[in-house]
Amino acid sequence: KAGVTQTPRYLIKTRGQQVTLSCSPISGHRSVSWYQQTPGQGLQFLFEYFSETQRNKGNFPGRFSGRQFSNSRSEMNVSTLELGDSALYLCASRNWIAGGQQETQYFGPGTRLLVL
Amino acid sequence: SQQGEEDPQALSIQEGENATMNCSYKTSINNLQWYRQNSGRGLVHLILIRSNEREKHSGRLRVTLDTSKKSSSLLITASRAADTASYFCATDAWDTGRRALTFGSGTRLQVQP
Repeated sequence: KAGVTQTPRYLIKTRGQQVTLSCSPISGHRSVSWYQQTPGQGLQFLFEYFSETQRNKGNFPGRFSGRQFSNSRSEMNVSTLELGDSALYLCASRNWIAGGQQETQYFGPGTRLLVL
Repeated sequence: SQQGEEDPQALSIQEGENATMNCSYKTSINNLQWYRQNSGRGLVHLILIRSNEREKHSGRLRVTLDTSKKSSSLLITASRAADTASYFCATDAWDTGRRALTFGSGTRLQVQP
């Protein structure tokens, strides 16, 4: 099976702009999570989607939003970009097992966003 | 916020030596996972150990889990230059309602050829 793919891989934006990142999960995986990685804060959870519904959300401002489509592909959007939003954004997918038990998450290569 | 702290933050060894990384966490968990990340790329899943397991092996990897001490260790035996990467532990606590992986701060491993 093909792995998790993310587009674009690199992005440069300026403050105040908005950005949309895309993630295609492994075929058959219905759960998609997003993480932000920065040198200062490390890896932090943004949100998780399952069957087009947001199931869990991290502690990020409302400028960060996401959605999931019927084919499980997911997008995240950041509006009014700030310098501190510069980060590696990682998407992960996993199989959702009945009962909610979480199993291995498979990560994509990430999108590196630079805000100038 | 980060659940775990990893120790050491950085480790430099010679090829062929063993590398041991430790992870401590704060709350109860269902499982603990170890990931590798090469130079700012995506995370690669290495191994998962459940809360009712104490030790697990996968190739050159050995993971231990001590839930009473809330700690885990990752041992890489006979290290190779290709093992140079950052290693992260991540805890999963789905039955507490916290459905996201919580990552440690990572250990940067440098294996000298």
